[in-house]
Amino acid sequence: EVQVLESGGGLVQPGGSLRLSCAASGFTLSNYAVSWVRQAPGKGLEWVSTINTSGGSAYYPDSVKGRFTISRDNSKNIVYLQMNSLRAEDTAVYYCAKNVGAGALDYWGQGTLLTVSS
Amino acid sequence: EIVLTQSPATLSLSPGERATLSCRASQSFNNYLAWYQQKPGQAPRLLIYDASNRATGIPARFSGSGSGTDFTLTISSLEPEDLAVYYCQQGSTWPLTFGGGTKVEIK
Repeated sequence: EVQVLESGGGLVQPGGSLRLSCAASGFTLSNYAVSWVRQAPGKGLEWVSTINTSGGSAYYPDSVKGRFTISRDNSKNIVYLQMNSLRAEDTAVYYCAKNVGAGALDYWGQGTLLTVSS
Repeated sequence: EIVLTQSPATLSLSPGERATLSCRASQSFNNYLAWYQQKPGQAPRLLIYDASNRATGIPARFSGSGSGTDFTLTISSLEPEDLAVYYCQQGSTWPLTFGGGTKVEIK
């Protein structure tokens, strides 16, 4: 069975940092591009980042560029999202998802909650 | 940035009725358009990719169509379990963007 599992969420003070992890079972994560998508409480979906299979290319929207860094360790089959200079507006459930084709996301984890608050 | 506008915001229909959800883009792009279903308390699920291809395991009552700037998700005969918010998403250009969602309510 294909599964994606995020971990690492929690409560962080504004200006703080946190690293999320994304692991997979049932398929080899290193064979696919992977994305992070977030959802603020009661709001819609917002794309956060995508990394290609080798880790050589990463993409971000302006809202997180320069603060968030996506990376991957293909030897461990894990993708990371390092989040720095966190703000209250970063509070959301963060989903990790496997890419298929051109930008579609076919397998999603259940999400991990990040709360940025003092 | 490609802005996706979904309409209507809410759709209230009875079981067995046909649901038509619209996704309009601020500029034309190739057909790298996906649709997702998100049920309450759950992660999104891919329904349609490349505008009209059903994802693995998705029932035939879900279909996608459209091109350019106008895309449509159709649920041919609504089932009670289709209660959810539906999002469109473009994968054509960075940044990837999602529409604001259409909430489907079952009467």
